This record gives sequence, C-alpha cells and structure tokens, in this order.
Amino acid sequence: AQKVTQAQTEISVVEKEDVTLDCVYETRDTTYYLFWYKQPPSGELVFLIRRNSFDEQNEISGRYSWNFQKSTSSFNFTITASQVVDSAVYFCALSERSSSNTGKLIFGQGTTLQVKP
Amino acid sequence: DGGITQSPKYLFRKEGQNVTLSCEQNLNHDAMYWYRQDPGQGLRLIYYSQIVNDFQKGDIAEGYSVSREKKESFPLTVTSAQKNPTAFYLCASGAQREGLVNEQFFGPGTRLTVL
Repeated sequence: AQKVTQAQTEISVVEKEDVTLDCVYETRDTTYYLFWYKQPPSGELVFLIRRNSFDEQNEISGRYSWNFQKSTSSFNFTITASQVVDSAVYFCALSERSSSNTGKLIFGQGTTLQVKP
Repeated sequence: DGGITQSPKYLFRKEGQNVTLSCEQNLNHDAMYWYRQDPGQGLRLIYYSQIVNDFQKGDIAEGYSVSREKKESFPLTVTSAQKNPTAFYLCASGAQREGLVNEQFFGPGTRLTVL
C-alpha cells in the first residue's frame, strides 16, 4: 500500500539555522513521483519540487535542497539559513503510475515549521 | 494570468443545507481534484476528474458530489449527508503525461464552517 510519513509534526528553529524536514514513503511501484509543497498561513499550497523515481540526483534551489534516497525510501527537504518567511506547513506527497493513471497524490500529515526571529 | 480560482473564500452553512464550492482553472489542464484538509492533517482526496464529463470517487467521497461539464470548471457540492463538513477545501488541477500527472496546482481554498 502507498503511504507517506512525515514523522515531525512541528519544528521550531531560530532564524539562520538550517533545518531538515523528513519524508519517508512506501510504494510497490517502480515508477512514481515525489513532491514537496509549502502551505503558508494563507492556505494555498505552493509547489516546490517534483522528483522522478528514476532520478536520484540531489537538487538545490537557492536555500532549498532535496535529498532523494531510494534505498531508504526517503525524500528529505533542507532549508539552509532559514528565514521567518519560511514559516509554513510543508507537505510531502507521492504519485504512483499504478493508481489507474489518475495522478492521485498521497499526502503526508505535514510538518509545521516555525522560524523565530 | 493563468491559475486556479476558488470561491467563496469563506462559507457558512446551516445544518441540513447543501452548498456548492466553485473551482475554475484556465491552465488547460485535463485533470482536476478536490481535497479536504482538517486541522493538523494532510489532504484527503474527495473526487477527481481526468476528462470532461467523467469523474471518480476519491478516498472520502461520501456526502459529496461533483460535476465536470466544462474543462475549466469542477464544482463540489457538500450535501446534508456529509456528517462533518467543517473543513478547508482545496481544488487542484494537473496535466498528465505518460500516465503520471505532473505537479498539481492548487487554488487558494474555501473554508467551510457549519453553524
């Protein structure tokens, strides 16, 4: 069965600290996508990244970086030098090919990140 | 500008009433989705549609209904059969390629409160 687990419910850091948000997934598919979304207080989900299951190369985008490891079924997200504007709920999600090609997203519970000034 | 709009932003409903949440997209996406979010929880799929005039139930479809008469529009009706409708509702759309949907784009959401 497919499942996404974000074990960290809430994280609180002080501005400029680095922080890593964990994501562990379960799937029987060999072809799938992994996603990270940010949900600021306004409520709208903002797309951050999509990772194909065949591409394990880590990615960096500014202060954001992602570490995809198939061996441990993890897709962790690191924010370097965190800022107050990073405060939000972050969701990890999985989309499998075998879901009848629906593109259905399976979301984790979310991690609430609070960055204090 | 391209994007997804949802209306209203806030909605109050009396028990026993049906209400319809609007979702419109101009991204030319074939697939559209409705999710429900409860406090402290992730998003759960209510209904989805991959093409006009076709839709399927998601994980928590009971008490909800949808229609997809136009590619741009995917309204969600919360019926009186939904026992606990107070929640935040998010609509999304996505383009499919090779059987997998690319990133889904989300609307700003509608917060429904039952009085």
